[in-house]
Amino acid sequence: DADVTQTPRNRITKTGKRIMLECSQTKGHDRMYWYRQDPGLGLQLIYYSFDVKDINKGEISDGYSVSRQAQAKFSLSLESAIPNQTALYFCATSDNDWDTQYFGPGTRLTVL
Amino acid sequence: AQTVTQSQPEMSVQEAETVTLSCTYDTSESDYYLFWYKQPPSRQMILVIRQEAYKQQNATENRFSVNFQKAAKSFSLKISDSQLGDAAMYFCAYRAPHSGGGADGLTFGKGTHLIIQP
Repeated sequence: DADVTQTPRNRITKTGKRIMLECSQTKGHDRMYWYRQDPGLGLQLIYYSFDVKDINKGEISDGYSVSRQAQAKFSLSLESAIPNQTALYFCATSDNDWDTQYFGPGTRLTVL
Repeated sequence: AQTVTQSQPEMSVQEAETVTLSCTYDTSESDYYLFWYKQPPSRQMILVIRQEAYKQQNATENRFSVNFQKAAKSFSLKISDSQLGDAAMYFCAYRAPHSGGGADGLTFGKGTHLIIQP
């Protein structure tokens, strides 16, 4: 079984809808991250969390919110989706400052 | 802010040949980590190799090796004996310890699309 899972894997929604992307991990890591990937670009950091009570904005947090429900679960929400939020979204985990980040399989989101 | 630059949008190599992908970065930190990730058409982000800045020895993983030049802020990836399965997007990424005060997380380059010709 995969260590980092994301649901859904693909989602099509309409402008103005609220949508939640979920991430779960079995690696036992404290740190979790959400990234966004646009075509022709690398990944950009949206939010990250050191533990359930410590959540921080990344470089492109506008229009997004997150919830860390437990050590193993980190959700990303789009309160009112807009077309330029169409992208591939990745969740990742790591153990500490010097650990590798391990990525989930990604969620392809399309906002019409 | 840290930046990562991959100057080769696309590279092509014959199967069994060697190819080198370039990456440069900008940072004022002395302690950091560098990574190469592979993204095949399945879109999964797969770690290829990592390098700690304090280590002078270049990292190697089977057919993959890096040329880390700290003073030049250069981190290139060499793939030897290229195989069809190596075809993918390759991303160079930088990470500084959060204890340095900056945001945690990876800073990525825009990627290099590697094509393997049979």
